[in-house]
Amino acid sequence: DTGVSQDPRHKITKRGQNVTFRCDPISEHNRLYWYRQTLGQGPEFLTYFQNEAQLEKSRLLSDRFSAERPKGSFSTLEIQRTEQGDSAMYLCASNGGYTDTQYFGPGTRLTVL
Amino acid sequence: AQTVTQSQPEMSVQEAETVTLSCTYDTSESDYYLFWYKQPPSRQMILVIRQEAYKQQNATENRFSVNFQKAAKSFSLKISDSQLGDAAMYFCALLYGNKLVFGAGTILRVKS
Repeated sequence: DTGVSQDPRHKITKRGQNVTFRCDPISEHNRLYWYRQTLGQGPEFLTYFQNEAQLEKSRLLSDRFSAERPKGSFSTLEIQRTEQGDSAMYLCASNGGYTDTQYFGPGTRLTVL
Repeated sequence: AQTVTQSQPEMSVQEAETVTLSCTYDTSESDYYLFWYKQPPSRQMILVIRQEAYKQQNATENRFSVNFQKAAKSFSLKISDSQLGDAAMYFCALLYGNKLVFGAGTILRVKS
């Protein structure tokens, strides 16, 4: 069990560029979550997958955001036409079976210049 | 709406002493789960302790215990025998459906 991994750990981009982040959950976990955390705040829910199906999306997830989990394993989160307000830590979590506990990855810190 | 409030932005404790972090929440559900997560500086968030609302008994994990008051919607975390490694941001969270609703966090500083 290697834990939840995220790549890249840091991303610096210019406003208007597109960025994509990857999350690899714990291997036996079928549920995967994305959260966004701004400086000094608690994480906020963005979206949730069960296997490959995206079952819930927050209204925080604007049209510029899209998430996929094509084979029910890893997931990607893409932000198009980034804005300075998108600067944040993007966290991925996973769980499976009967456990409600979500296990978090180290996050991807995005800085939009 | 489900909300979680942590009213202490920052707390300090002397090494080996005990500290209590406060958390209140609001939910319309009768059965739910509550969590405390720890986020050390520049490191990933890890679970400290979880509480199932239908259980009367307060959860305990080694030096960490909770005081769960369901009627008051209060869920405080007590850290006994504080250690330097306990220094971190602590988040209280409520599981609503499949998503966690977090408080704003409490920074815990441990003095040697």
